[in-house]
Amino acid sequence: QVRFVQSGAEVKKPGASVMVSCKTSGYTFTNFAINWVRQAPGQRLEWMGWIDAGKGDTKYSQKFQGRVTITRDTSANTAYMELSSLRSEDTAVYYCARGNGWDYWGQGTLVTVSS
Amino acid sequence: DIQMTQSPSSLSASVGDRVTITCRASQTINYYLNWYQQKPGKAPKLLIYASSSLHSGVPSRFSGSGSGTDFTLTISSLQPEDFATYSCQQSYTTPYTFGQGTKLEMK
Repeated sequence: QVRFVQSGAEVKKPGASVMVSCKTSGYTFTNFAINWVRQAPGQRLEWMGWIDAGKGDTKYSQKFQGRVTITRDTSANTAYMELSSLRSEDTAVYYCARGNGWDYWGQGTLVTVSS
Repeated sequence: DIQMTQSPSSLSASVGDRVTITCRASQTINYYLNWYQQKPGKAPKLLIYASSSLHSGVPSRFSGSGSGTDFTLTISSLQPEDFATYSCQQSYTTPYTFGQGTKLEMK
């Protein structure tokens, strides 16, 4: 069965960077894109960007351009999202989700930014 | 960016009720509209894609309709496990955007 398993919770100081991983299984990794979405406490879901897992092409939301980098390792069927220059407003649960279908999601990774 | 607005933001209903949630896009998105169910501390679950297509494994009491800018999600007969937050999302163009959510609570 298709599974998306994300890395564990992180606590970071303002100005630091965080990398969240999304390990997939149960399907051909390179046939689908991976989206990254976040949800701050009490807020709506917010799309950050995606990566074509086959070609490696990326597209980012203008809001995060310059601070977010999405990569993938095809040998490990894993996608990564790195967010830099963290501030308190980046405290959120970060999710990965599969391709255009949005049909499979990771369990979420809580990133807390606090001094 | 395309703004997605849901109504109502919260809704109280009883088991067995028929419930309708609406979602409006700030510009046309054809039929590129998804609906999700989310429970506290959990990831969203896809219910409906392409406005009216039921995702695999989702009970048939859920249905979606609409095109252009106006969409609806209907639950024909509420079950206890349906009390959750429902969100719409446009997948027409990036940045993909979500509605603010509708919290469905037990009356």
